[in-house]
Amino acid sequence: EPEVTQTPSHQVTQMGQEVILRCVPISNHLYFYWYRQILGQKVEFLVSFYNNEISEKSEIFDDQFSVERPDGSNFTLKIRSTKLEDSAMYFCASSGVGQRDNEQFFGPGTRLTVL
Amino acid sequence: AQSVAQPEDQVNVAEGNPLTVKCTYSVSGNPYLFWYVQYPNRGLQFLLKYITGDNLVKGSYGFEAEFNKSQTSFHLKKPSALVSDSALYFCAVIRRGASKIIFGSGTRLSIRP
Repeated sequence: EPEVTQTPSHQVTQMGQEVILRCVPISNHLYFYWYRQILGQKVEFLVSFYNNEISEKSEIFDDQFSVERPDGSNFTLKIRSTKLEDSAMYFCASSGVGQRDNEQFFGPGTRLTVL
Repeated sequence: AQSVAQPEDQVNVAEGNPLTVKCTYSVSGNPYLFWYVQYPNRGLQFLLKYITGDNLVKGSYGFEAEFNKSQTSFHLKKPSALVSDSALYFCAVIRRGASKIIFGSGTRLSIRP
């Protein structure tokens, strides 16, 4: 069964450093998303991406964040200058064509630790 | 403001007994409703969804959920709990026409042998 994959599973970085989290969505999906879950808190929407542009973003997704689909398979989240409060589990998700279904398939997550 | 409420942080049930995990929502229109499950150190796994039609939705692992429009609720149920059902459960909604999922705060389900 096709699945969303994410690398790395765990990323440790120093405050102020740039990180890139990588995702490979399900191959025929066209909608891509990033969510994050701070330890012990709810899962929060960051951004959605369709047709090579951001379709929706939350207040969390400020200028420090960017997303990119550099090729036909990868979808990345970049944090330019990490802060301690960026420590969280980051989930990538993808969904197929059509509004009716809207089922998003989630990857296993990347745990980001900012020291 | 749109929101999803899971009033119980934790639900404890004996194996073999029925379980219910509660969810209510406050979202305009007729949203899509979902339940996801998260096992320790794992991602979010889809359990079931309500789009339209029959108010009782059946999903994976014997779970089902009942949509109640008048009460804006979407409670998750299972007739007979298993120890392996112990996990964190999230109720979620998507407003029609939108792309972002709004998650509840999660309910930790603990099934004792």
